[in-house]
Amino acid sequence: NAGVTQTPKFQVLKTGQSMTLQCAQDMNHEYMSWYRQDPGMGLRLIHYSVGAGITDQGEVPNGYNVSRSTTEDFPLRLLSAAPSQTSVYFCASSYSIDSGIGNTIYFGEGSWLTVV
Amino acid sequence: GNSVTQMEGPVTLSEEAFLTINCTYTATGYPSLFWYVQYPGEGLQLLLKATKADDKGSNKGFEATYRKETTSFHLEKGSVQVSDSAVYFCALMAAGNKLTFGGGTRVLVKP
Repeated sequence: NAGVTQTPKFQVLKTGQSMTLQCAQDMNHEYMSWYRQDPGMGLRLIHYSVGAGITDQGEVPNGYNVSRSTTEDFPLRLLSAAPSQTSVYFCASSYSIDSGIGNTIYFGEGSWLTVV
Repeated sequence: GNSVTQMEGPVTLSEEAFLTINCTYTATGYPSLFWYVQYPGEGLQLLLKATKADDKGSNKGFEATYRKETTSFHLEKGSVQVSDSAVYFCALMAAGNKLTFGGGTRVLVKP
């Protein structure tokens, strides 16, 4: 049972480069999301999706794009990396939001990104 | 908006000591509350949760009680081990499966 799988685990980028962080889940979860983790700030929501073909912005969406063409995959794209995007990125998933309160969110193991 | 405040670390303890990490929240409505743990070099794992007032979540010797009157969800463990060294995050979910996190508290347990 793979759960939520993120790749790559570590990446170094130069300013201005683009890249995609991959996220896949095998639990048939409708809801998927991306967070970034910065020291002393906890995790902040970047983008989320409530189902295939539907995405929306979170708290810190600038500089990131997402798409959701399948239920399983939710890639995060950095179009032009900046040093301020140096962070640890976590993908997460859960069952339908219909029941809302109380759904358990499952996290991937994280992707450590450094932009130089 | 929603927010979570937890005590800053690092918290350094000796093995078998009592651990408390304070967490308070601000939210509209009646959120669910969570504690997540992040061990060194790893992702986040759900430690425990509570979905309504006065619920007590517990797991691996850790406990936290949802206190609506004080808007708090303090994490406690009676006797910590070296293996409990980690960063602990308090979080709330108000609606739509979106989590709001506190800043995290690093705990270091020394033998």
